[in-house]
Amino acid sequence: AQSVTQPDIHITVSEGASLELRCNYSYGATPYLFWYVQSPGQGLQLLLKYFSGDTLVQGIKGFEAEFKRSQSSFNLRKPSVHWSDAAEYFCAVYFDRGSTLGRLYFGRGTQLTVWP
Amino acid sequence: GAVVSQHPSRVICKSGTSVKIECRSLDFQATTMFWYRQFPKQSLMLMATSNEGSKATYEQGVEKDKFLINHASLTLSTLTVTSAHPEDSSFYICSARSGNGNTIYFGEGSWLTVV
Repeated sequence: AQSVTQPDIHITVSEGASLELRCNYSYGATPYLFWYVQSPGQGLQLLLKYFSGDTLVQGIKGFEAEFKRSQSSFNLRKPSVHWSDAAEYFCAVYFDRGSTLGRLYFGRGTQLTVWP
Repeated sequence: GAVVSQHPSRVICKSGTSVKIECRSLDFQATTMFWYRQFPKQSLMLMATSNEGSKATYEQGVEKDKFLINHASLTLSTLTVTSAHPEDSSFYICSARSGNGNTIYFGEGSWLTVV
């Protein structure tokens, strides 16, 4: 069955520290992969996406993500976290890459807290 | 700036009344829009897929007579919650597929509180 997993419900890091948020999917082929960020009470902002090509994807706000086919993972990273990065992060997947982009399946989200 | 706009951002209504939420794509035409629901501290669950000029496709378990979706133009989809009940209180978010079809943008969301 198709699924998206974000193993970490809550992560706390100190400002300036590095960050890695995990995302795994279950699917027989390579899907389209996305990372979105949501601030409290707000909508979702697209950080980055992967469709094909270079497996290391650069996004906005200094984020990057690496697609690893062997691990069915698409982990989000940032070398130095800023206090303003505190938010909820969602990994999302579109499984039917043979058709036009459509409904996304979301992981349960990872809440990031940043200590000063 | 935002490419998908939702209105209202917050609404309070009485039980039994209906409330309409609008989702507009800015600067691009969206033949397909999606409506999600998000309970506090939970992930997003797709409610329905809205196609311009045709009936929406609802996910299993979503009452189509209660959550009316209209996608009458290429830039506007509306979600009407009919006979609202306190359990309908939630955060509703819409999204739209970009004009070139390779990105999905989300609106700012709408908080619905039914009292």
